[in-house]
Amino acid sequence: GNSVTQMEGPVTLSEEAFLTINCTYTATGYPSLFWYVQYPGEGLQLLLKATKADDKGSNKGFEATYRKETTSFHLEKGSVQVSDSAVYFCALSDSGGGADGLTFGKGTHLIIQP
Amino acid sequence: NAGVMQNPRHLVRRRGQEARLRCSPMKGHSHVYWYRQLPEEGLKFMVYLQKENIIDESGMPKERFSAEFPKEGPSILRIQQVVRGDSAAYFCASSPDGNPGQPQHFGDGTRLSIL
Repeated sequence: GNSVTQMEGPVTLSEEAFLTINCTYTATGYPSLFWYVQYPGEGLQLLLKATKADDKGSNKGFEATYRKETTSFHLEKGSVQVSDSAVYFCALSDSGGGADGLTFGKGTHLIIQP
Repeated sequence: NAGVMQNPRHLVRRRGQEARLRCSPMKGHSHVYWYRQLPEEGLKFMVYLQKENIIDESGMPKERFSAEFPKEGPSILRIQQVVRGDSAAYFCASSPDGNPGQPQHFGDGTRLSIL
């Protein structure tokens, strides 16, 4: 079956630090990959996506590259801000898999200190 | 330009009662997905519906849970005879089609608390 594994949190960084949140996946088909962000009390918002190998998704200074050889989709940002504090979810959607819903990782709670 | 609308935002029920959660997809979207989020956990897929059809319910518990998406009106997730373990946040998402590369747009969720 499909699965997503992402690094455990919480991750605490100082403002302007470099961020990496690791995400690896297993899938039966050729998945599309997503990063979603969740602020307290809210639903998930799409942060970025990539639909095929070597694609790079980017948005609001965040980037992630679809690496088929390492089955990874790590999230990076060069200089984080306090407003980036949230929970980040890596997810996949697999046309060849069973369920048609997204498969999510457990989420990584990011805390940015001023 | 309303997004995915879920109501109520918070729902409190006593054990044994019924809970009904509603979801109106984004305008132009005909595909709806329901997810459950337990505390400190990621979202778990429950069911995928199109208008008047259940496409995939592989994530739904076999008993007490049902979902529908009628021709008119919102999608409904129904939980009968609720138990404490049903306490969770329930999220609805929609997309314009079933393309796996198409992002799903999420509502703000319904927080269900069972007394």
